[in-house]
Amino acid sequence: DAGVIQSPRHEVTEMGQEVTLRCKPISGHDYLFWYRQTMMRGLELLIYFNNNVPIDDSGMPEDRFSAKMPNASFSTLKIQPSEPRDSAVYFCASSLGTLGNEQFFGPGTRLTVL
Amino acid sequence: AQSVSQHNHHVILSEAASLELGCNYSYGGTVNLFWYVQYPGQHLQLLLKYFSGDPLVKGIKGFEAEFIKSKFSFNLRKPSVQWSDTAEYFCAVINTDKLIFGTGTRLQVFP
Repeated sequence: DAGVIQSPRHEVTEMGQEVTLRCKPISGHDYLFWYRQTMMRGLELLIYFNNNVPIDDSGMPEDRFSAKMPNASFSTLKIQPSEPRDSAVYFCASSLGTLGNEQFFGPGTRLTVL
Repeated sequence: AQSVSQHNHHVILSEAASLELGCNYSYGGTVNLFWYVQYPGQHLQLLLKYFSGDPLVKGIKGFEAEFIKSKFSFNLRKPSVQWSDTAEYFCAVINTDKLIFGTGTRLQVFP
């Protein structure tokens, strides 16, 4: 298995632009998570899905952030409009079964908003 | 709310030194605990986990962790570190539906 796939790996954009991050979970996994990692705040859970349904989005910082999972093999995290404070590494992770099982992380997308 | 504290933010060791990274959690009930590692430029990988049973958990690459319920701790240990252990280490706990991460400990091992 290729593991969790994220694209793009790096994204540089200007303030005000729309940013879309993509994630393909491991085939068969029924949980998908979006995290944000910054020096100041560490790793934060933004949102997670179970069987394509958003379960908890309490970590999404603002209405500028939205996430979708149209099918079991694809999810997007969108920021519109982007701001410099959104600069971070965004990780997607997936797991199988209960929440207590291991989460497999993707390589991350390093976002820089100028 | 559940929280995880990692008090060592940056640890510097020489090769062959022993390692212990602290992790404390705030919840008093049943907990599932994890240690993840992030090597430079790479994604997070699971080192070990504790759900129940033997409180001394063995993980990959010679790491182990001990769950001490009375101290709300789950410290990570390795008797002899290698240069390749240079990485950031995250303790995490699951409570009901979320994996809560500590702020991480950056370990640098010098030859």
